[in-house]
Amino acid sequence: AQSVTQPDIHITVSEGASLELRCNYSYGATPYLFWYVQSPGQGLQLLLKYFSGDTLVQGIKGFEAEFKRSQSSFNLRKPSVHWSDAAEYFCAVGVNSGYALNFGKGTSLLVTP
Amino acid sequence: SAVISQKPSRDICQRGTSLTIQCQVDSQVTMMFWYRQQPGQSLTLIATANQGSEATYESGFVIDKFPISRPNLTFSTLTVSNMSPEDSSIYLCSVSSPAAEAFFGQGTRLTVV
Repeated sequence: AQSVTQPDIHITVSEGASLELRCNYSYGATPYLFWYVQSPGQGLQLLLKYFSGDTLVQGIKGFEAEFKRSQSSFNLRKPSVHWSDAAEYFCAVGVNSGYALNFGKGTSLLVTP
Repeated sequence: SAVISQKPSRDICQRGTSLTIQCQVDSQVTMMFWYRQQPGQSLTLIATANQGSEATYESGFVIDKFPISRPNLTFSTLTVSNMSPEDSSIYLCSVSSPAAEAFFGQGTRLTVV
């Protein structure tokens, strides 16, 4: 069955530290991969996406993600976290253009001073 | 990109009543999607709304409970019928671009008392 797994429900990092949020997927073919961020009381904002090509993709707000086919992973990274990055992060997978997305359960990021 | 407007942004409703949520897109799209995000949870697809045909519902969601209209290529409504406290959630409208990128409305935060 198709699935998206975010193993970490909560992550706490210190401001200025590096961040990596994990995402694994289970699909028959290479899917479309996305990371979204949801701040408290806000809508979903797209951070970055991967369809094909270079497996290291750059997004907004200093985020990047790397697609690793051998590991079925699409982990999100940021070299230095800011307090404003505290939010809920969702990995999502789409199987085709124009289709709905399948979301992971999300990872809640807490940033400490 | 697509700009999606949802109304209302939030509402508090009595159990047993119904609420209709409106979703307006600033461009014509073939498919629109309705998601539910229960408190502290991820997004779950309710249904796909196609213009000119009946909506396609995901497992666990039925038309009698969540009737959907799609009168044209820029507008859709989702009704939450005969509400109970378990229906308290954020309901989000979404569209996908030809590049498979999903855009979301700000959501409707529904509280059923």
